[in-house]
Amino acid sequence: AQSVTQLDSHVSVSEGTPVLLRCNYSSSYSPSLFWYVQHPNKGLQLLLKYTSAATLVKGINGFEAEFKKSETSFHLTKPSAHMSDAAEYFCVVSDVRTYKYIFGTGTRLKVLA
Amino acid sequence: EPEVTQTPSHQVTQMGQEVILRCVPISNHLYFYWYRQILGQKVEFLVSFYNNEISEKSEIFDDQFSVERPDGSNFTLKIRSTKLEDSAMYFCASSEPFRDEQYFGPGTRLTVT
Repeated sequence: AQSVTQLDSHVSVSEGTPVLLRCNYSSSYSPSLFWYVQHPNKGLQLLLKYTSAATLVKGINGFEAEFKKSETSFHLTKPSAHMSDAAEYFCVVSDVRTYKYIFGTGTRLKVLA
Repeated sequence: EPEVTQTPSHQVTQMGQEVILRCVPISNHLYFYWYRQILGQKVEFLVSFYNNEISEKSEIFDDQFSVERPDGSNFTLKIRSTKLEDSAMYFCASSEPFRDEQYFGPGTRLTVT
């Protein structure tokens, strides 16, 4: 069975400092992995996706993620946090057979002024 | 840019009542999904739908739930007899055939009193 584990439920950073949100995956197959962001009272917005083309994936708003098979990780990073980045972030794996999404438990990012 | 829409944005209902949540997927998409997010918990898969039938359903999707595509544009989730524990945010998503990237609607917050 496929799964993702988000290692931190809450992360706090100061504005202008780097962001690291950690995600580990489990999959018997080459996975399709995604990061989604959910701002308060908003829907889920796709930040980026990995589908085996390149291990370093660039997304919107300056976010990127690196797929590391040896570490079964897909961590999300951003060089410099902005106040508007404060939100809940979900790591997601897509079931290879049915395409349904399996969500991680989410990481709430707080950005301090 | 095309987007998934959902109505209503917020629905309040009494326990035991029937509710219908509506979604309009992106027009050329053929795979449709419902997910739910109970407050403070992770997003959970409910059901996927393709070619006018259910492709997969989770354990949550019991006999009180049903889905329908009544016309060429709408995709609905019906809960026949709501329970307090059905209170959650319900997200609709759609995707192109054989593509694993899903596009989410803004969600319907269902409150059962």
